[in-house]
Amino acid sequence: EVQLVDSGGGLVQPGGSLRLSCVASGFSFSTSWMTWVRQAPGKGLEWVANTNQDGSEKHYVDSVKGRFTISRDNAKNSLYLQMNSLRAEDTAMYYCAVGRGAAHWGQGILVTVSS
Amino acid sequence: DVVMTQSPLSLPVTLGQPASISCRSSQSLVYSDGKTYLNWFQQRPGQSPRRLIYKVSNRDSGVPDRFSGSGSGTDFTLEISRVEAEDVGIYYCMQATHGPGTFGGGTKVEIK
Repeated sequence: EVQLVDSGGGLVQPGGSLRLSCVASGFSFSTSWMTWVRQAPGKGLEWVANTNQDGSEKHYVDSVKGRFTISRDNAKNSLYLQMNSLRAEDTAMYYCAVGRGAAHWGQGILVTVSS
Repeated sequence: DVVMTQSPLSLPVTLGQPASISCRSSQSLVYSDGKTYLNWFQQRPGQSPRRLIYKVSNRDSGVPDRFSGSGSGTDFTLEISRVEAEDVGIYYCMQATHGPGTFGGGTKVEIK
């Protein structure tokens, strides 16, 4: 069974940083693209970033370019999202998902950016 | 970036009746390999999204056969043949063909 456990969220002030983690099991993590998707409160889904199997290829939505970094550690079956220079509009539930097509999703982790 | 437009925004349906959701993309979703990376997701209240359909018309494992996807190029449709109470939620299309993925705005399915 595919499992994705997200962690690392919380309350942070504008301009601050957070690092999200997603630990995967039940599938071949090292041979899978991985994706981050977010959902602001009461809003729709927004694709954030993805990375290929060895982390050599990364793509970001324009609104997070230069502030967020996606990375992975295949030895630990883990995906990360380093978020810097956080803004109020980054407040959302963040989900990690398997593949470019988001075949399986984690439970999500809430990030709140507020003073 | 590719813009995905869904309609309707809200879809009240009678139990046992069919439902249809439209999704249009601002450019063709046919990739250089000839495949079309258009997926459909269901998000029930309070839950994480779940993928229902991938590459236009392929049902994911465990998805009831009352869900079907169709379309090509820029026009796509998700159909529910007979709506059940557990189908209440928001449905999203998503393209993974071009650069950053993009989602449609969502269609809320509710029971009349």
